[in-house]
Amino acid sequence: EIVLTQSPGTLSLSPGERATLSCRASQSVSNNFLAWYQQKPGQAPRLVIYGASMRASGIPDRFSGSGSGTDFTLSISRLEPEDFAVYYCQQYGNSPPELTFGGGTKVQIK
Amino acid sequence: QMQLQESGPGLVKPSETLSLTCTVSGYSISRAYSWGWIRQPPGKGLEWIGSFYRGGTTNYNPSLKSRVTISVDTSKNHFSLELSSVTAADTAVYYCAGDHNSAWYFYWGQGTLVTVSS
Repeated sequence: EIVLTQSPGTLSLSPGERATLSCRASQSVSNNFLAWYQQKPGQAPRLVIYGASMRASGIPDRFSGSGSGTDFTLSISRLEPEDFAVYYCQQYGNSPPELTFGGGTKVQIK
Repeated sequence: QMQLQESGPGLVKPSETLSLTCTVSGYSISRAYSWGWIRQPPGKGLEWIGSFYRGGTTNYNPSLKSRVTISVDTSKNHFSLELSSVTAADTAVYYCAGDHNSAWYFYWGQGTLVTVSS
């Protein structure tokens, strides 16, 4: 089983600042099967990035994903008020087939 | 536009079986590639429960595999979750989700809170 470790646990930033979130896998993530989700209180997760770097439909271009192998990053270039939320990374492994989530990073207003 | 809606009891007694249904609207369930269940205990992170793939394959979280069954009813355009022998640790918001591939989920239900308590 691949374990995903997200850091930091909490990120305190001001609107307009850049956010950089890290997701590290215990083993290499095959085929860049790595996704990022945004979750706000009382809401379902929302897919932000898939395939490590592809923005999901409706996601603004201030969101970007990068990385490969075991180290992945979600960047938000200029934080908008609606971006303050918890972000989870998730990987898909096909041997055996399973999904695992990281523990999450909370991006809060400073 | 695909929409998903979970339904089922909000309260289940310990040792009993939790049963939830996810109704899919706006899309034929047989067309998507993957359907899954994910849960989130209050104040905690997300946990994948299992997924059903087009073609009939089902995969489960190894930590839950002995207690989980996911099934699909294409005639009703819905899929279901059964989790047996529940304990308080199974108290969570349960989400259903779907996508056209196997590796992530774009479409999510709003989630339903299931509490395990006597």
